[in-house]
Amino acid sequence: DAGITQSPRYKITETGRQVTLMCHQTWSHSYMFWYRQDLGHGLRLIYYSAAADITDKGEVPDGYVVSRSKTENFPLTLESATRSQTSVYFCASSDLGVGLETQYFGPGTRLLVL
Amino acid sequence: TQLLEQSPQFLSIQEGENLTVYCNSSSVFSSLQWYRQEPGEGPVLLVTVVTGGEVKKLKRLTFQFGDARKDSSLHITAAQPGDTGLYLCAGVFGNQFYFGTGTSLTVIP
Repeated sequence: DAGITQSPRYKITETGRQVTLMCHQTWSHSYMFWYRQDLGHGLRLIYYSAAADITDKGEVPDGYVVSRSKTENFPLTLESATRSQTSVYFCASSDLGVGLETQYFGPGTRLLVL
Repeated sequence: TQLLEQSPQFLSIQEGENLTVYCNSSSVFSSLQWYRQEPGEGPVLLVTVVTGGEVKKLKRLTFQFGDARKDSSLHITAAQPGDTGLYLCAGVFGNQFYFGTGTSLTVIP
């Protein structure tokens, strides 16, 4: 089915472990985004990508790594997870960037770091 | 410090009542968007406002962009249980995209 999917939907890990969250979209959108959502903070942009092999930092990039070797995939890696990275992570995509264009969001990944 | 502050943070009303949600900033935004998010799902775009003073209507929802493009409001007329959700404003400042802190709305049947 067309759309944007995230995996896993739920993840429990321990402090110090590496975790990779996957995001896949079937629209061939140029832009892809990673956000984290925490109570009291709304959604905050972690990283975004304007095209394959082009990535840039958002508001809260520390502790995260992204890559985009293919247009349709945008994985987010926590190299050494910390408790403060417990959050709900949303991936999104859009055709022409942000502000005027619609961003389409995935269902989210709920991550718990013990 | 949040670039976009929303108020109220929580709102619980009876079906049929009217309500207004506010999105405020000290910064000027080139455009603002409003999203609604239901539990367990990602946000879904409701509207984009671009021009200062602009008013857009989407059925029972009315969106307004402030004249100075620093604030926006969402007014819901005759709220229904299906309006329950988290309402988020969002906009571009500089070269970054920011979401507001969110307003959680519960409409009681």
